[in-house]
Amino acid sequence: SQQGEEDPQALSIQEGENATMNCSYKTSINNLQWYRQNSGRGLVHLILIRSNEREKHSGRLRVTLDTSKKSSSLLITASRAADTASYFCATDAGNMLTFGGGTRLMVKP
Amino acid sequence: DTAVSQTPKYLVTQMGNDKSIKCEQNLGHDTMYWYKQDSKKFLKIMFSYNNKELIINETVPNRFSPKSPDKAHLNLHINSLELGDSAVYFCASSGNRGGEKLFFGSGTQLSVL
Repeated sequence: SQQGEEDPQALSIQEGENATMNCSYKTSINNLQWYRQNSGRGLVHLILIRSNEREKHSGRLRVTLDTSKKSSSLLITASRAADTASYFCATDAGNMLTFGGGTRLMVKP
Repeated sequence: DTAVSQTPKYLVTQMGNDKSIKCEQNLGHDTMYWYKQDSKKFLKIMFSYNNKELIINETVPNRFSPKSPDKAHLNLHINSLELGDSAVYFCASSGNRGGEKLFFGSGTQLSVL
């Protein structure tokens, strides 16, 4: 079974709105990462948050981590049509990353 | 300049054939991976090599055989292809054993007819 599960599976918003995606996982982790995948392309690393961190920012991205609830969220502010992609969380619980099934985000112009 | 490159990008073949996918990284990383992404977009690790040594083999059928001639290359050979092998296969690399950020290739879409 997948370690991380994203919610929602799909999200459609208007340009300029904020997009929030959630990730839940099952075991203790060293860090949690978010990746983006454009259609037909490989995954691109966005941000890494370590287990002793609660929040991290990178440009329009804000990631939170709640280890007591085993959950993380990715917030994209002021979304753009170019943000349309699938977003995956990945957890490091040892010697490898385990990915969830992703959230498909569509940003309408 | 591509950091992780894999070839071919598309592979269409008949059941029962043998095929290979090649991967090269120019990042100087020690660890390389093969991931399989199914039609529902779930990404699952298949193999991991650290400095040419196999460190992860996630219950993949032995028809799949990775080969790492040096730490910059990790190839995937698949024997006796089956319909269920149809998927997108991604190569990735990282600077150390697991846990740190991965750099992905652009994927090989394998279609078995």
